[in-house]
Amino acid sequence: GAGVSQSPSNKVTEKGKDVELRCDPISGHTALYWYRQSLGQGLEFLIYFQGNSAPDKSGLPSDRFSAERTGGSVSTLTIQRTQQEDSAVYLCASSLVQYNSPLHFGNGTRLTVT
Amino acid sequence: AQTVTQSQPEMSVQEAETVTLSCTYDTSESDYYLFWYKQPPSRQMILVIRQEAYKQQNATENRFSVNFQKAAKSFSLKISDSQLGDAAMYFCAYRSGAQGGSEKLVFGKGTKLTVNP
Repeated sequence: GAGVSQSPSNKVTEKGKDVELRCDPISGHTALYWYRQSLGQGLEFLIYFQGNSAPDKSGLPSDRFSAERTGGSVSTLTIQRTQQEDSAVYLCASSLVQYNSPLHFGNGTRLTVT
Repeated sequence: AQTVTQSQPEMSVQEAETVTLSCTYDTSESDYYLFWYKQPPSRQMILVIRQEAYKQQNATENRFSVNFQKAAKSFSLKISDSQLGDAAMYFCAYRSGAQGGSEKLVFGKGTKLTVNP
């Protein structure tokens, strides 16, 4: 079966532009997560979706960041007015809603803001 | 808030030898889950092994095993008979098991493992 799919794989954008990152979770996975991984760092939690609602958006670093999920499936992470410090790999993961269920990750989107 | 600490930024091991990666965590919860993930240069995060805190027996997956010390809040990963393909970043992660607890995984900063031929 298909895994978590993220697009684009790489994105280069100019400072001040808006970007949209897409995540297609594994079919049947109601939980969806976005993480950010800066160079040489661990994974920083951004937001968690349960179905279409986001009960935990505590990790979004500023109001320039937003995310939505439609139909309990595809999710889009939007970064407005990008800054150089937004450069990172953005990872999406999905899982079943069970505490011992592991997260299944996509290959991420590498965002470079010039 | 829970925190996960990996005190070894880098480790190296000779092919066919054994290596242990350290992880400690801080929590006031009694019910939780622990995971080790591997991230090769392809960026794909791959689950290596998981442990339920209520289980006393240490989890094992082929060449990978853990030493789970609940009282010490320690969760180390042992890789036996290391192979070149084991070279990657390894991340330790914590997830609450409490009702109403956070659904997210909290990750450590990772340990870069090099396997020397």
